[in-house]
Formats: sequence, C-alpha cells, structure tokens
Amino acid sequence: KAGVTQTPRYLIKTRGQQVTLSCSPISGHRSVSWYQQTPGQGLQFLFEYFSETQRNKGNFPGRFSGRQFSNSRSEMNVSTLELGDSALYLCASTETSGSPNEQFFGPGTRLTVL
Amino acid sequence: AQSVAQPEDQVNVAEGNPLTVKCTYSVSGNPYLFWYVQYPNRGLQFLLKYITGDNLVKGSYGFEAEFNKSQTSFHLKKPSALVSDSALYFCAVRDLYSGNTPLVFGKGTRLSVIA
Repeated sequence: KAGVTQTPRYLIKTRGQQVTLSCSPISGHRSVSWYQQTPGQGLQFLFEYFSETQRNKGNFPGRFSGRQFSNSRSEMNVSTLELGDSALYLCASTETSGSPNEQFFGPGTRLTVL
Repeated sequence: AQSVAQPEDQVNVAEGNPLTVKCTYSVSGNPYLFWYVQYPNRGLQFLLKYITGDNLVKGSYGFEAEFNKSQTSFHLKKPSALVSDSALYFCAVRDLYSGNTPLVFGKGTRLSVIA
C-alpha cells in the first residue's frame, strides 16, 4: 500500500502570496489531518477532514483553510502569506475520525516565506 | 483540555546504554497515548500506542513505553540505545471521552545517541 504523499515537497513564496498544498492519504483512509511544525512550537494542529467535512479546527487565523475531496485527497490553502508561516506542513491520514488508530504521516511540505 | 509535556528538549545517551524519553499528559477522561519518531527531512513514524490493557506497551525498533495512570506519565524506553535511534521523538494524547478531539502533541525531545 502506498503511503501518504504530499506535494510539493518544497515551496518558496514571498509575503502576501497564497499557497496550496496537497495531500493524498493512504488508500481507504477517510480522515486527513494537517499540522504545522516549527522548531519553537512543535506540532500545531490545523484541521481535520473526514468524508469531505471539517471535523476539527485548531487555533489558526482564517488565512488557513482546507478542503477534502470525494476521493479523500485534501488540500490546504494559506492566503496572504506572512514570514511566520514558514514551516513544515505535515498531513496525516487514518481510517476514521476520532479512533484509537495511529495516524500515518506524509513527508511534509517545507514552506519558506521570504 | 488535553495537553502533553515533554520536559526535556534534548536527551544524550551513550550507545549501548538504556534510554528514557519522558512524557506526561493531562486529560479529563482516559487517554489514548502515542509515541512517534521523526528522522531528518521525514514525516513522523508511529512507534507505539497505549489504548487499554497492559501498562507496558512494546513497539517498533525495540522501543517500549510504560503507562502510569497515577503519575499521568507515558515514558518511552529502550534497553540498549543505537546511534541510529538519534532522532526527534514526539508524545501525543487524545482524550478517550471528549468526543472527536484532535491528537495533541508534545513539543518533542531530541535524542542523541553517541558512539
């Protein structure tokens, strides 16, 4: 079974631009979660989607948004980029939402905002 | 609200010695507890989890963790460290009885195993 894939792996943007990141979960997994990883803050939860519905949302501004498609693939969008948005963005998939099953993580997208 | 604390930013251990990476948690109900490892330029890899049952959980690569409800701890251990164990380790918790809450991660502990 193929693992979680994320594209692109690296992005360089400038302040004020917007960016879209993509995540394809493991086949059969319907829940996708997104996290922001920075050296000082560790992993911060962004949001979770299950069956095309947002189930949970973390404490991030409205510039951060996401969606999930019928094939469970998910995208997250960040508008009006700020320098502080530079981070590794990780997505993780699991079979269902809220279960004790472990999450499977993708390799991440490294976003650099100049 | 649920939370996780990893009190050590960095742990150094000599190869062949036992290692411990500490984790304490706070939940209102019963916890699901997880350990993940992250190697450079990689995503997180699942090591082990505690859901219920035996307090000693065995996982991948010879790692184990002990759930201690009275001390609200879930420390990660390995009897004999390898240089290849050097990585960033994350503890995570989900509250079993708080509905569909997201997984909450600690800030991570960097383990350095010295040959």
